[in-house]
Amino acid sequence: AQSVTQPDIHITVSEGASLELRCNYSYGATPYLFWYVQSPGQGLQLLLKYFSGDTLVQGIKGFEAEFKRSQSSFNLRKPSVHWSDAAEYFCAVEDSSYKLIFGSGTRLLVRP
Amino acid sequence: GAVVSQHPSWVICKSGTSVKIECRSLDFQATTMFWYRQFPKQSLMLMATSNEGSKATYEQGVEKDKFLINHASLTLSTLTVTSAHPEDSSFYICSAKGSGRGSNTGELFFGEGSRLTVL
Repeated sequence: AQSVTQPDIHITVSEGASLELRCNYSYGATPYLFWYVQSPGQGLQLLLKYFSGDTLVQGIKGFEAEFKRSQSSFNLRKPSVHWSDAAEYFCAVEDSSYKLIFGSGTRLLVRP
Repeated sequence: GAVVSQHPSWVICKSGTSVKIECRSLDFQATTMFWYRQFPKQSLMLMATSNEGSKATYEQGVEKDKFLINHASLTLSTLTVTSAHPEDSSFYICSAKGSGRGSNTGELFFGEGSRLTVL
């Protein structure tokens, strides 16, 4: 069965520091992968997605993610975190029925 | 980008009453809409898939008589929580999809969510 694992429940980084949020997936076929961000009490905003082609994908707000098939990973990165990046981040994989399967989320806290 | 709007964003109701939440795609036709439920500090759990003009497909463990879903047009799906109880209090989020998996038109767009509190 398809699944998504985000091993880090919380991550705290200092403003200006680099960030990497981990995501591992389990999916038999070519995965369609997504990263979403959710601010408190809000819906989800798509940061970036991977369908095929270049394994390093660029997203909005300076985020990028790299698809590594050998490691079944799709980690999200940002070179310099801003205080406004504090939020909950969800990794997701789309299954064959077009449903999104979400990871448990990682809450990012940013120290001033 | 495409916009999906949910209404209401907040609703408080008494136990035993029914509450309807609307999900609208504002600038595209949504052949499929999904309803998710999110408990505090948890991930989104898919409740059901709603296809325009047909019955919704519910995920295992979701009571179809409790959570009525109607997708009467290509721009509107509604979720009605019937005879609501305090344990139904949650954040409900819808998403809408055009056509074509993996293409831009097939991308999922999420509503802002609706927070239901049942007293």
